[in-house]
Amino acid sequence: QKEVEQDPGPLSVPEGAIVSLNCTYSNSAFQYFMWYRQYSRKGPELLMYTYSSGNKEDGRFTAQVDKSSKYISLFIRDSQPSDSATYLCAMSTLSGNTGKLIFGQGTTLQVKP
Amino acid sequence: KAGVTQTPRYLIKTRGQQVTLSCSPISGHRSVSWYQQTPGQGLQFLFEYFSETQRNKGNFPGRFSGRQFSNSRSEMNVSTLELGDSALYLCASSLRPSGGSVNIQYFGAGTRLSVL
Repeated sequence: QKEVEQDPGPLSVPEGAIVSLNCTYSNSAFQYFMWYRQYSRKGPELLMYTYSSGNKEDGRFTAQVDKSSKYISLFIRDSQPSDSATYLCAMSTLSGNTGKLIFGQGTTLQVKP
Repeated sequence: KAGVTQTPRYLIKTRGQQVTLSCSPISGHRSVSWYQQTPGQGLQFLFEYFSETQRNKGNFPGRFSGRQFSNSRSEMNVSTLELGDSALYLCASSLRPSGGSVNIQYFGAGTRLSVL
């Protein structure tokens, strides 16, 4: 079993829809939770990060972390065709300020005009 | 501010050969991490270098190695290439702050390696 599980999709939604992307994890030592977006033939770019449990909002994006359930989510409101990409969740522990991120498989999202 | 630069962008090699990939981090970043991305396994951590020392290592065979120079630039080497090494190799740089602050990694566009 992988440390981080993410449904690869693909997920197809109409423009303007609310998108929910999720990851589950098994390592209770994870403290930092990140969402990256990756367009085709590009490297991942950081969208948001959260520390421990709680919510964080940035424009149309909201990240949620529920450590008790080992479950994280990314919500995209008013989705746009430009949001079509692969969304990767990533996690790291706190100890040693590790440069090691553990990634989910990535969910491919298509937003149709 | 320039981002993370990886060279070359594309490589084609044959089985048994070796390959060296290069990564120039964002100015001021001293940590460089390497990842392998494949459709089947996703993004997997290879290793991290900080101040010219390997700090973390993933579960890859010894054929995968790396190094970091005094200017923080890093190289990754794969010897005796196998077909399964075909992948996108991504480099990420970060500040690696102390005191428990989050260590944000910024990725390059990657080097796509095809092994024939």
